[in-house]
Amino acid sequence: DVKVTQSSRYLVKRTGEKVFLECVQDMDHENMFWYRQDPGLGLRLIYFSYDVKMKEKGDIPEGYSVSREKKERFSLILESASTNQTSMYLCASSRTARGYNQPQHFGDGTRLSIL
Amino acid sequence: QKEVEQNSGPLSVPEGAIASLNCTYSDRGSQSFFWYRQYSGKSPELIMFIYSNGDKEDGRFTAQLNKASQYVSLLIRDSQPSDSATYLCAVKALSGGSTLGRLYFGRGTQLTVWP
Repeated sequence: DVKVTQSSRYLVKRTGEKVFLECVQDMDHENMFWYRQDPGLGLRLIYFSYDVKMKEKGDIPEGYSVSREKKERFSLILESASTNQTSMYLCASSRTARGYNQPQHFGDGTRLSIL
Repeated sequence: QKEVEQNSGPLSVPEGAIASLNCTYSDRGSQSFFWYRQYSGKSPELIMFIYSNGDKEDGRFTAQLNKASQYVSLLIRDSQPSDSATYLCAVKALSGGSTLGRLYFGRGTQLTVWP
């Protein structure tokens, strides 16, 4: 069965801190994604990666960076946390295939509060 | 920017009725279409996908795709209170032959099924 694991369900940090959110998938998927979800704004893509050490900016990359040193692990980094980064963060993964069906599978999410 | 539009709702139907959820998309080259269900406080879970014009049925769920009209819908027959959730439409666009698996999400339609 598909499994995407995010390291924390709830996290509280202070402004200015460097924050790491970890995501691990066990499906040998090539693609991994980080989203944030806020009421009324839907899912917004922050960064994604299609291979080890590769990364692509999504729609809202400012204030974030990512790291993918191993295929199964994709980390989201808040370089200097700010209160407007309080949100639900969702990690997802998917296969790379030239066929049509490439659903993304989501982790349980991390609810991050920046005080 | 690839747009995916959904009526935010809320859509309210009585138990046993058919719930109809609609989604339109802007990129005519879109390939695959996904419906996710998201319960409050939880992460999105895949319900079904469709990539050919016409209908696809899975239990009480039917996805309908009309590429000419750039329209995809989800019908839920015999709606149950447990179907109360937000339903997200996602579209995989053909973007320069990309196989990166990026999906574009709508903001979701909130469905309430009352007993």
